[in-house]
Amino acid sequence: NAGVMQNPRHLVRRRGQEARLRCSPMKGHSHVYWYRQLPEEGLKFMVYLQKENIIDESGMPKERFSAEFPKEGPSILRIQQVVRGDSAAYFCASSPNLRYYGYTFGSGTRLTVV
Amino acid sequence: GNSVTQMEGPVTLSEEAFLTINCTYTATGYPSLFWYVQYPGEGLQLLLKATKADDKGSNKGFEATYRKETTSFHLEKGSVQVSDSAVYFCALREYGGSQGNLIFGKGTKLSVKP
Repeated sequence: NAGVMQNPRHLVRRRGQEARLRCSPMKGHSHVYWYRQLPEEGLKFMVYLQKENIIDESGMPKERFSAEFPKEGPSILRIQQVVRGDSAAYFCASSPNLRYYGYTFGSGTRLTVV
Repeated sequence: GNSVTQMEGPVTLSEEAFLTINCTYTATGYPSLFWYVQYPGEGLQLLLKATKADDKGSNKGFEATYRKETTSFHLEKGSVQVSDSAVYFCALREYGGSQGNLIFGKGTKLSVKP
């Protein structure tokens, strides 16, 4: 039973390029959460999705960032025109339902913008 | 708004020493409380949880008790090992409507010396 799979583990992008981060939730989990961890900081909530729906995007920057969780395939966090300040670790977590008390986190994607 | 405050690190202990990492929270309702652990280069793993007042979560020798009167959820371990070296995050999750995201503290880095 594979856990939450994130890829790539490491991603290097030049300023102005696009970054696509993928997250495959655990089997049977239909709720996906994305978090960002800046250096020496805790995790900050970005967005919560269920299949084909964005439920809560209150933590997403208003520009350049978008997320989707299609009916088939992984959830995608997309960052357009990356800037140095986007360098961070991005973690995805999944749960089977809203009442589930603990998430399962992936190992994260570490984005470096050069 | 909801928030979590945990003691600043880093915390450096000798093997077999007693560990306490303080965590206090602010919440409008009745949250569930969690401790997550992050080993170097990895994602977060759920260490323990408590879902209501006076509940005690425990795992791998770690314990934390949900204290509503002091709004605290301090993490303790009687005898730490070198393998416990990691960053520990306190978190809360409050339910209601479409909410369900975790709110994290900034993390406390623990280093255990042999």
